[in-house]
Amino acid sequence: NAGVTQTPKFQVLKTGQSMTLQCAQDMNHEYMSWYRQDPGMGLRLIHYSVGAGITDQGEVPNGYNVSRSTTEDFPLRLLSAAPSQTSVYFCASRLRRTSTDTQYFGPGTRLTVL
Amino acid sequence: GENVEQHPSTLSVQEGDSAVIKCTYSDSASNYFPWYKQELGKRPQLIIDIRSNVGEKKDQRIAVTLNKTAKHFSLHITETQPEDSAVYFCAASETGGGNKLTFGTGTQLKVEL
Repeated sequence: NAGVTQTPKFQVLKTGQSMTLQCAQDMNHEYMSWYRQDPGMGLRLIHYSVGAGITDQGEVPNGYNVSRSTTEDFPLRLLSAAPSQTSVYFCASRLRRTSTDTQYFGPGTRLTVL
Repeated sequence: GENVEQHPSTLSVQEGDSAVIKCTYSDSASNYFPWYKQELGKRPQLIIDIRSNVGEKKDQRIAVTLNKTAKHFSLHITETQPEDSAVYFCAASETGGGNKLTFGTGTQLKVEL
């Protein structure tokens, strides 16, 4: 299994540009989520999904959209990038919606918005 | 929602000494408390976890304790080694709703020779 994969690894955008961060997992996990990591602020939940077709907001959802059309994929869309969205983004997944399953992280995408 | 506080933000120990990182949580219904280690430039990786029906769990040099009454849990690393240097995150998982995992702000551990 490849586990949780993310593309791209690095991205530089200009303010106002849009882009999609890709996330995929091959473990047949029900639950997928996106976090952003900023210095001194830990990992903050952006959006999550408990299964195909079901998504919900986390702690910091503004400026981001998600969809879950398949079990495997959970892309994160930035519609109009802002410098405040400069961060490292991690996708994560776990087997079931149940909270006690181990959550696995992807390798991350480092995004810079100029 | 859940709120997790983590202390200290930085911790420096001598090789061979013990390190302790403490976290508190706000939601008494939270039932799962994992600890992640993140090396520079890498993804967070689970090192140990504890469920609310257990008070202590140990895995070789690392252990986690949970005090549900006081709503705090701690990570203990004994006989620290240079390769233990990393950022450590605690987290707490809500029950119900989206079973969201809320993270602390991290502890930078440095093990000095």
